[in-house]
Amino acid sequence: DAGVTQSPTHLIKTRGQQVTLRCSPKSGHDTVSWYQQALGQGPQFIFQYYEEEERQRGNFPDRFSGHQFPNYSSELNVNALLLGDSALYLCASSLNGRRGANEQFFGPGTRLTVL
Amino acid sequence: AQSVTQPDIHITVSEGASLELRCNYSYGATPYLFWYVQSPGQGLQLLLKYFSGDTLVQGIKGFEAEFKRSQSSFNLRKPSVHWSDAAEYFCAVGRGGNKLTFGTGTQLKVEL
Repeated sequence: DAGVTQSPTHLIKTRGQQVTLRCSPKSGHDTVSWYQQALGQGPQFIFQYYEEEERQRGNFPDRFSGHQFPNYSSELNVNALLLGDSALYLCASSLNGRRGANEQFFGPGTRLTVL
Repeated sequence: AQSVTQPDIHITVSEGASLELRCNYSYGATPYLFWYVQSPGQGLQLLLKYFSGDTLVQGIKGFEAEFKRSQSSFNLRKPSVHWSDAAEYFCAVGRGGNKLTFGTGTQLKVEL
């Protein structure tokens, strides 16, 4: 059973560029959440997608947007990159509607470096 | 607003010694509580979780945690640490399928 997968593993961009990160959830899961983990910090919630819609959003600007596809996979897009966007971006999947919905399974992350 | 505090940024223990990592939370209702572990360059692995019921929960790799409502705490413990336990540990709070709020983490170093 494949767990949560993310691509790419590493990415280097320059300020002002745009980036797209991808996530495939664990088999059977229908909800995808994205987190940003800056160096030396805990993960910060960006947003969560369920039924192809953004269900909840953290305190991130509109430069951060996402999408969920019918197969439950998801993309995170960041526009107009800033140096401060450099971080590990984690995708987590879960199953909606069950008590264990909070039991989120995390992927290995995408390390984004903005120069 | 929900929040999690992990007061110890770094902890060093000798292999075979006992371990306790502290976690305090702030949440408006009965929370769901989690401990995750992260090895360098890796994602997060769930060690254990508390939803309700028995306040002492057992997890993987010999870890356990105790929920104390009166102290708003959910401390992680292990009776005998192994060198492979060296990693960063995160406490998190959430409920109802919504976002998880994480602490800033505790870096564990194990001396041989």
